[in-house]
Amino acid sequence: GGIITQTPKFLIGQEGQKLTLKCQQNFNHDTMYWYRQDSGKGLRLIYYSITENDLQKGDLSEGYDASREKKSSFSLTVTSAQKNEMAVFLCASSPGTGDYAEQFFGPGTRLTVL
Amino acid sequence: QQKVQQSPESLIVPEGAMTSLNCTFSDSASQYFAWYRQHSGKAPKALMSIFSNGEKEEGRFTIHLNKASLHFSLHIRDSQPSDSALYLCAGPSNTNKVVFGTGTRLQVLP
Repeated sequence: GGIITQTPKFLIGQEGQKLTLKCQQNFNHDTMYWYRQDSGKGLRLIYYSITENDLQKGDLSEGYDASREKKSSFSLTVTSAQKNEMAVFLCASSPGTGDYAEQFFGPGTRLTVL
Repeated sequence: QQKVQQSPESLIVPEGAMTSLNCTFSDSASQYFAWYRQHSGKAPKALMSIFSNGEKEEGRFTIHLNKASLHFSLHIRDSQPSDSALYLCAGPSNTNKVVFGTGTRLQVLP
């Protein structure tokens, strides 16, 4: 088995601040994802990466940057935090680079913007 | 752009009831559909998936896919309080990565 670790668990920032969220996986999975979940609702894809140094934009990429420097890690940067993006940010990974694989999720980072 | 809509938004059922959750999608060419379950404060976890029209059963859970009617459902037999969670259906988007539905919050009352 494997595990996905997200740090920090809680992130508090000021409006306009640049904030970074980190994700590590030890599944040795090729593909990693960042999602945003607002108020216990559905997941919206921000970025995904199918291999080291690859980045693909999701539907919600505006206002975010991502980085995949190693196969095991994927970070997300909120470029200028806004109050309307307070949410839980979920990292996930899946085996291979294909489209139809089960995704394994981390516990999330809860973002609060003051 | 593939869109996945779920209904109802929330549902309260008594323990022992049969629960049905529904998902509709916009693209009939989609090949992969899955249900994920997220207990409160926890990470989503895959429940079941299906690649072709038909039905699949695992224990108390049955999923049913009908591409002609663009409909995908999850049925829970003998619902238990431990089944209380947010249920998310998932299907591929036109970017060929999974897109998640808006979620159905299920509460099973003891």
